Amino acid sequence: GDSVTQMEGPVTLSEEAFLTINCTYTATGYPSLFWYVQYPGEGLQLLLKATKADDKGSNKGFEATYRKETTSFHLEKGSVQVSDSAVYFCALTSLSSNTGKLIFGQGTTLQVKP
Amino acid sequence: DAGITQSPRHKVTETGTPVTLRCHQTENHRYMYWYRQDPGHGLRLIHYSYGVKDTDKGEVSDGYSVSRSKTEDFLLTLESATSSQTSVYFCAISDFDRGLTEAFFGQGTRLTVV
Repeated sequence: GDSVTQMEGPVTLSEEAFLTINCTYTATGYPSLFWYVQYPGEGLQLLLKATKADDKGSNKGFEATYRKETTSFHLEKGSVQVSDSAVYFCALTSLSSNTGKLIFGQGTTLQVKP
Repeated sequence: DAGITQSPRHKVTETGTPVTLRCHQTENHRYMYWYRQDPGHGLRLIHYSYGVKDTDKGEVSDGYSVSRSKTEDFLLTLESATSSQTSVYFCAISDFDRGLTEAFFGQGTRLTVV
């Protein structure tokens, strides 16, 4: 079945460091890919998305490119801030399922220190 | 922010008691979902609904039932709560069949079964 694998956390960085969180997926067909972010005590918010190969999603300085050849959707940010500390989830939805249900990775905790 | 309200936000209950969690939306989205969030597992789908009185199981549905009598309300019931159902529960909505691939999440309900 469809699945998503994220790099293990926690990831600890200093402010202004470069961030990469790896995400790879297994899916039939052409899924849509997402990054969600969860700040402490809150629900999940959509950070960015890509719906077809080579699309680049971007938001708030974060970027991720849909790479079909490597089945990857890595999240990057050039300069992280303390306020970026959160849990990040990679997810996919498969159009073939016809339900819109999301398959999530296990989440990666990011801690940014001043 | 999408209009999704979960209630209660926190609940402590005893093993063997029934519990009902409520999700209310004001977006008129067709699809509604219940996920649970557990460390190391990300979010996993419990049940989902694709219309009034139309529901189906997700990957972790054992011990849970759902009902949707109105477009705006989706109820999750634990018939006889167990300690393994201690978790954070999230409701989500989407308009998947209208081309909106992303889902929007509520703030979550933290359930503790003692």
